[in-house]
Amino acid sequence: SQELEQSPQSLIVQEGKNLTINCTSSKTLYGLYWYKQKYGEGLIFLMMLQKGGEEKSHEKITAKLDEKKQQSSLHITASQPSHAGIYLCGADVSGTASKLTFGTGTRLQVTL
Amino acid sequence: GAVVSQHPSWVICKSGTSVKIECRSLDFQATTMFWYRQFPKQSLMLMATSNEGSKATYEQGVEKDKFLINHASLTLSTLTVTSAHPEDSSFYICSARDYGLAGDNEQFFGPGTRLTVL
Repeated sequence: SQELEQSPQSLIVQEGKNLTINCTSSKTLYGLYWYKQKYGEGLIFLMMLQKGGEEKSHEKITAKLDEKKQQSSLHITASQPSHAGIYLCGADVSGTASKLTFGTGTRLQVTL
Repeated sequence: GAVVSQHPSWVICKSGTSVKIECRSLDFQATTMFWYRQFPKQSLMLMATSNEGSKATYEQGVEKDKFLINHASLTLSTLTVTSAHPEDSSFYICSARDYGLAGDNEQFFGPGTRLTVL
């Protein structure tokens, strides 16, 4: 089983609509990273969360880490076609700051 | 800053040949680099952790003799897929960690290399 589960696996939204992607773990997330990937390309760093209850925003994207540090959400407000891609959460689940484990990914399509 | 490059961006080879993929940190020193593999519509799977000047640490199930990793300098790590077979076809992504920057475990990712073995 995956250590990091993302939901939904895929999402199609109309331009202008809001959406939320979740990343859940059975283990404590010592550092939670959100990345965006376009097909066949590398990962673009979006945000990092470390503290329970932390919330960060950049442009129309907001990421939160719950108080228990086992779940994170990524919220996009007023989605645009440029938001389309694959969103991946990555986390240090060992607490050793040695490597990241990645979630299953969420494929987002934004229709006009 | 914090740019990571990979070369080549794509490669097609015949079964049985070896392929070398380079990962470079362009504007910072990376004591640790990571190699991932990604199959279509799947997430990144860590293959190995490459530490400058020492042997790489491989994840369970990854063959050390098949995927040779060399991290000879603070800005370069190479992954050599030896005796490649069609099942090795995949998207290989490297990342590098800069301890000089804030953000303890932040990794900077290369653009990836698509390997196709015929």
